[in-house]
Amino acid sequence: KAGVTQTPRYLIKTRGQQVTLSCSPISGHRSVSWYQQTPGQGLQFLFEYFSETQRNKGNFPGRFSGRQFSNSRSEMNVSTLELGDSALYLCASSSGRQETQYFGPGTRLLVL
Amino acid sequence: TQLLEQSPQFLSIQEGENLTVYCNSSSVFSSLQWYRQEPGEGPVLLVTVVTGGEVKKLKRLTFQFGDARKDSSLHITAAQTGDTGLYLCAGPPGAGGTSYGKLTFGQGTILTVHP
Repeated sequence: KAGVTQTPRYLIKTRGQQVTLSCSPISGHRSVSWYQQTPGQGLQFLFEYFSETQRNKGNFPGRFSGRQFSNSRSEMNVSTLELGDSALYLCASSSGRQETQYFGPGTRLLVL
Repeated sequence: TQLLEQSPQFLSIQEGENLTVYCNSSSVFSSLQWYRQEPGEGPVLLVTVVTGGEVKKLKRLTFQFGDARKDSSLHITAAQTGDTGLYLCAGPPGAGGTSYGKLTFGQGTILTVHP
């Protein structure tokens, strides 16, 4: 089985812009979760989608949003980018009914 | 909020040495997962422990889940330079269920194994 794929791998944006990141889960997985990883805060949960519905949400501002499509692919959007949004954004997929999550390689976002 | 405290934060050892990384919480977790992450890449799952008292072995790595399911440890025997990386423990809050997709992570342990 192919693993979780994320595009793009690297992205440079300027403050105030918006960005959309994409995640394709492992075939058959219906849950996609998004995480932000920074040196200071570590890995923090953003949100999870299961069968096109947001099932769990972390403590991030409304500028961070996401969606999931009928083929389980997911996108994450960040609007009005801030310098502090620079991070590695990771997506993980799972069957949705058990604990194990499988991570993609991440998208490295740099906000200038 | 369920927190996971990992220790030590940094570990620098020589090849051939043994080491243990700890992951502790004051809360019960339905399961705990251990990941290894290399720079610029996503975490790679090493193991999931589910039953209190469970011990799992993966070659030179031994994982243990505490009896009360509040703590876990990772022991590496005869460390190799290829073991270098960031080790993370993580678990779903509460009893799991619809929270499976929401993992709480420890701060991580950066392991450096010198030749």
